[in-house]
Amino acid sequence: NAGVTQTPKFRVLKTGQSMTLLCAQDMNHEYMYWYRQDPGMGLRLIHYSVGEGTTAKGEVPDGYNVSRLKKQNFLLGLESAAPSQTSVYFCASTPDGIGQPQHFGDGTRLSIL
Amino acid sequence: GENVEQHPSTLSVQEGDSAVIKCTYSDSASNYFPWYKQELGKGPQLIIDIRSNVGEKKDQRIAVTLNKTAKHFSLHITETQPEDSAVYFCAALRTFGNEKLTFGTGTRLTIIP
Repeated sequence: NAGVTQTPKFRVLKTGQSMTLLCAQDMNHEYMYWYRQDPGMGLRLIHYSVGEGTTAKGEVPDGYNVSRLKKQNFLLGLESAAPSQTSVYFCASTPDGIGQPQHFGDGTRLSIL
Repeated sequence: GENVEQHPSTLSVQEGDSAVIKCTYSDSASNYFPWYKQELGKGPQLIIDIRSNVGEKKDQRIAVTLNKTAKHFSLHITETQPEDSAVYFCAALRTFGNEKLTFGTGTRLTIIP
């Protein structure tokens, strides 16, 4: 039982490049989330999903897109990377609500040059 | 919107002593308050949580207290051990209207052997 798995763990991009971060969970959770973590700012919600086929905007959605085609996977896309998107990205999941303990992956460290 | 302030940002404690981290929140509609521990290179992990109908909750060496009137909640770690060294995040969930989980900015706790 792996829990929440994020790939890749590290990535360096050039400004303007695109990429997709993958999050997979094996706990049959309905809700999934993407956060970014920046020094001194805690965790900020980018997008989230309340079930397969659904997505919703969080606190800082600009410059990102997401998809939830399968219940176990939640993809975060950067269409045209910018240096301001340099951050550590965390995926999380909960069984069926926001007010439940969140299960986090170990993060993806992304640098945009 | 909700604002969660966390203090102190860094805390050093002698092994065996107690550590206290405090968070204040602004939205009186918040009713769920989790605490997460993040070790280096890992994702945050829930260590304890409390709901607004409870004033205190304890789990072995860890306890959380909630003062709804003053809108603050605190994490207490007793008999600290080296493995308690990590970054700790508080969070507050507003469930009235748009559900939103807001994280504090984190406290780096160092246990001095």
